[in-house]
This record gives sequence, structure tokens and C-alpha cells, in this order.
Amino acid sequence: DAGVIQSPRHEVTEMGQEVTLRCKPISGHDYLFWYRQTMMRGLELLIYFNNNVPIDDSGMPEDRFSAKMPNASFSTLKIQPSEPRDSAVYFCASSWGQVNQPQHFGDGTRLSIL
Amino acid sequence: GQQVMQIPQYQHVQEGEDFTTYCNSSTTLSNIQWYKQRPGGHPVFLIQLVKSGEVKKQKRLTFQFGEAKKNSSLHITATQTTDVGTYFCWGTSGTYKYIFGTGTRLKVLA
Repeated sequence: DAGVIQSPRHEVTEMGQEVTLRCKPISGHDYLFWYRQTMMRGLELLIYFNNNVPIDDSGMPEDRFSAKMPNASFSTLKIQPSEPRDSAVYFCASSWGQVNQPQHFGDGTRLSIL
Repeated sequence: GQQVMQIPQYQHVQEGEDFTTYCNSSTTLSNIQWYKQRPGGHPVFLIQLVKSGEVKKQKRLTFQFGEAKKNSSLHITATQTTDVGTYFCWGTSGTYKYIFGTGTRLKVLA
């Protein structure tokens, strides 16, 4: 079975550019989570969706960050404009059924903003 | 705000020694999950605990949920080099706030 698929795996771009990260959850999963991981702050939940609807976006750092889930099999996390402090590994995870079920993580996108 | 702290932050052990990481929440948790992240990898689900005082075992790993549902522990008996990685606890509260613990990075010396 295919797991959670994220793209790109690596992204290097200059500050001020728009960055779009993509995620395909496991088929049938109705919860999707976006996390950011840095050495300083650890794993932070940015936003999560249930049945394509954003439920809690209180972890989104600022207006430069936005996330969408147009359908059950695709989500994007966009940063515009990007800044060097956005450099991190961004993980997408999905789960099924209830909000506290085990999460399945993608391989992550390693983002570097120069 | 709600926090979930893990101790220790880092642990180096000789192969064969035991290892324990502790997870402490400032509020009561509905459940707790444990994840392992290998260097360069992504978190992988290990186990979920729901009941007060619950204890679960997976081979050399023993997981415990505190009676007050505010703390949890993961104990590894006789560590192996394959145990290397960062162990995270993850909890949910009644308000469906999701919090990852700060993580414990384990290094096993052969």
C-alpha cells in the first residue's frame, strides 16, 4: 500500500519566493496534518483537516503560511513570501476514523530558504 | 499553554544497557502515543495508551500511562544499535489539541 506521499523531497529557494509543498494522504484517511520540525522548536503542528475542512490552524505561524485541501487526496502548504527562518523539514501525516488515531507520516520536505 | 515535556533530552547508552524516557503533561491527556524517528527519517507510530495506569509491552519496549493520565514512560531493555533515534510522545486533550513532546534522542554505543 502506498503511504503518505510528499513532494518535493528537497527545496532550496531564495527568500521572498513562493514555496508550495504537496501531500497525498493514504487513500481512505479522513484526517490530514501538517507539521514543521526544527532543532530549536521540535515538531510543531501547523494545521489539520478533517474531511478536507480545516479544523485547527492555530499553529500556522503567520499570514505568510496558508494550507488547502481541495479534495480527499491532495493538500498543499504554501509560504509566500518565504523567509530564511522558514527553513525546516515539513511533514504531512494522515489518519483515519477518530481524531486521536495513529498518524502515518510522509518522508517530509526539507526546505532551505537562502 | 499546554505543554508536554520529555526528559532526558539526550541519552547515550552502551549497547545492552537499559533506557527510559519520560513524558510529562501540564494537563490531563485523553490518550498518549509514542513515535520513533530514525535519523533523517520520519516519525513512525509505536503504540497508543488510553487507560489510566495502562502498561503495554512490545518485545523489549515497555510503555506506561500514569494513573493521573498526565505522564507516560517508555522503557527499552537491553538496548541495541537499531534502537537509535528520537522517541516522541504525542498526546491529545479533551479539546483535541495535539501536542508532540520535545523528544528524547537516544544514541547507542556499540
